[in-house]
Amino acid sequence: RKEVEQDPGPFNVPEGATVAFNCTYSNSASQSFFWYRQDCRKEPKLLMSVYSSGNEDGRFTAQLNRASQYISLLIRDSKLSDSATYLCVVNKAPGFQKLVFGTGTRLLVSP
Amino acid sequence: DTEVTQTPKHLVMGMTNKKSLKCEQHMGHRAMYWYKQKAKKPPELMFVYSYEKLSINESVPSRFSPECPNSSLLNLHLHALQPEDSALYLCASSQFRAGDNYEQYFGPGTRLTVT
Repeated sequence: RKEVEQDPGPFNVPEGATVAFNCTYSNSASQSFFWYRQDCRKEPKLLMSVYSSGNEDGRFTAQLNRASQYISLLIRDSKLSDSATYLCVVNKAPGFQKLVFGTGTRLLVSP
Repeated sequence: DTEVTQTPKHLVMGMTNKKSLKCEQHMGHRAMYWYKQKAKKPPELMFVYSYEKLSINESVPSRFSPECPNSSLLNLHLHALQPEDSALYLCASSQFRAGDNYEQYFGPGTRLTVT
């Protein structure tokens, strides 16, 4: 089983749509979770950290379910500029400075 | 503003060349990282420095040699590379405190081609 698994997509959605990505992780000891976005041939950029209570930043909402070892990202009112690859990222172990990246989910938002 | 800078942006080198990649951050972060990313793959960790000391080496071949001259700078020295080493090399930095994990911020990368 991969340490972090994501549906590679692509997810093709029209502008204004709501889209959700899911991610599962295998190490129950992981404590830190992040979503990064990566545009083609660019570096990953931190989108948001994911907290146990869930968190929201504008049109983006992240949820964590520790019991199911599952993380989600919801994007509301999709914009063309949201087109990118979304990487689910989990720390390897508490205090261990290693992040494990999922293979990413590609999102394509069309007019 | 979170900013990690990397030079050069692009590098083409022969298999017998020696070159260096440079990374700099001024966020006061005490952990710095080198990643390698191939096309359509996620970044793969190569090295981690914590307080200027090498703390993780992910079994990287010795033709890659990292160096952390001070808390703001990170270098990656390259020698006798192979064509399969062609990739995007990303530097990242983060806060560091033993036992905790923090967000990592990435530089724009150096796109390396080995001929």
